[in-house]
Amino acid sequence: DIVMTQSPESLAVSLGERATINCKSSQSILYASANKNYLAWYQQKPGQPPKLLIYWASSRESGVPARFSASGSGTDFTLTISSLQAEDLAVYYCQQYYNTPFTFGQGTRLEIK
Amino acid sequence: QVQLQESGPRLVKPSETLSLTCTVSGGSINSYYWNWMRQSPGKGLEWIGYIFYTGTTKYNPSLTSRVTISIDTSKSHFSLKISSMTAADTAVYFCARAPPDHTTSDDRYSAFDEWAQGALVTVSS
Repeated sequence: DIVMTQSPESLAVSLGERATINCKSSQSILYASANKNYLAWYQQKPGQPPKLLIYWASSRESGVPARFSASGSGTDFTLTISSLQAEDLAVYYCQQYYNTPFTFGQGTRLEIK
Repeated sequence: QVQLQESGPRLVKPSETLSLTCTVSGGSINSYYWNWMRQSPGKGLEWIGYIFYTGTTKYNPSLTSRVTISIDTSKSHFSLKISSMTAADTAVYFCARAPPDHTTSDDRYSAFDEWAQGALVTVSS
């Protein structure tokens, strides 16, 4: 199985400041012939299902605010929230869909400082 | 706007079989991978398996001996069965959609773009 490791486990950021979450996969999730990284980022608020934010490692899902961006390739990936808003309080997960079994990171809890 | 809704018993006795159904509305069940996930405090988010609209299935090896996923395209729903349930299977169960990735020559997938609200299933006598 591909193991997804996120850091940090929790993060406290002031409103308006930048938040950065890291995700590392135990093997490359870059499909070279298509030049695509099979990585997604999700946001989960209490009592709700995960919501897709980013797919193909850096493509923003329709309707997701532009303050959310992501980058990375191969085994190392980053989600950035450029200017934290109160509604961004949530747990964030990375997930690989390169191979089955699909696997998720353990989550990063984002708190308001 | 596609919507997914789980239905089925929320309380299961130890050793019995969990049966959940996910009904797809507002969109077609065809041409997608339909997935089941679960989330528990101890194990985080875990992918259980998928079924393609053609009936092709793939399961997580950690659960494959106990899991069956089926689909009824005429009723626009797909179902999950997990046998021999124990307390460790207590979790919130989600169904979710994944589009196929048509940009490669082999059978690949995209991210989970639509999710149901989730169903808390408790295993207890």
